[in-house]
Amino acid sequence: SQQGEEDPQALSIQEGENATMNCSYKTSINNLQWYRQNSGRGLVHLILIRSNEREKHSGRLRVTLDTSKKSSSLLITASRAADTASYFCATVSSNDYKLSFGAGTTVTVRA
Amino acid sequence: GAGVSQSPSNKVTEKGKDVELRCDPISGHTALYWYRQSLGQGLEFLIYFQGNSAPDKSGLPSDRFSAERTGGSVSTLTIQRTQQEDSAVYLCASSWPWTDNYGYTFGSGTRLTVV
Repeated sequence: SQQGEEDPQALSIQEGENATMNCSYKTSINNLQWYRQNSGRGLVHLILIRSNEREKHSGRLRVTLDTSKKSSSLLITASRAADTASYFCATVSSNDYKLSFGAGTTVTVRA
Repeated sequence: GAGVSQSPSNKVTEKGKDVELRCDPISGHTALYWYRQSLGQGLEFLIYFQGNSAPDKSGLPSDRFSAERTGGSVSTLTIQRTQQEDSAVYLCASSWPWTDNYGYTFGSGTRLTVV
């Protein structure tokens, strides 16, 4: 079974707009990570946020974490056509350090 | 090597045959995962190796699936008597221990097609 649930399942935006996607999870975590996947093959690690952190930035990416609500959000600012991909959140359990993925959000950026 | 290497990149096999999928993690990475991803779906956890600890096999879907990791490095995922529902992309990922600071590095996957 999957730990995380992403919302929305799919997102279509115009180039230059911001894209926001959310992730909810169920169990206690050590950290939460976001990954990008192009063309259904290997995933690329984007950003990691620890359970004691609330916000983190990396370039055009901004991640928030609310452990009281067991949720996280990923914001991509000033989107580009190259950002078109599937985005997955993944949690590392604080119990067994297992990495579990959500179902993903498919983002399409229109030129 | 510079990244996680998986082989073969594509495998077509007949139903009932056995297949072996290989993963070469980044040197020094003690944590290694296998996931399976069906078309348009999320990642399904299969098995997790962490150093010399006993692997977490709780995600293996049936006893036709097995995996080993020799010398704490290369891992092989074996599927016996393949079925059509085994068709998917099989992804391997590795990392330093405990991933407090690091994410996982994924290979490009093996696309398995059972005909």
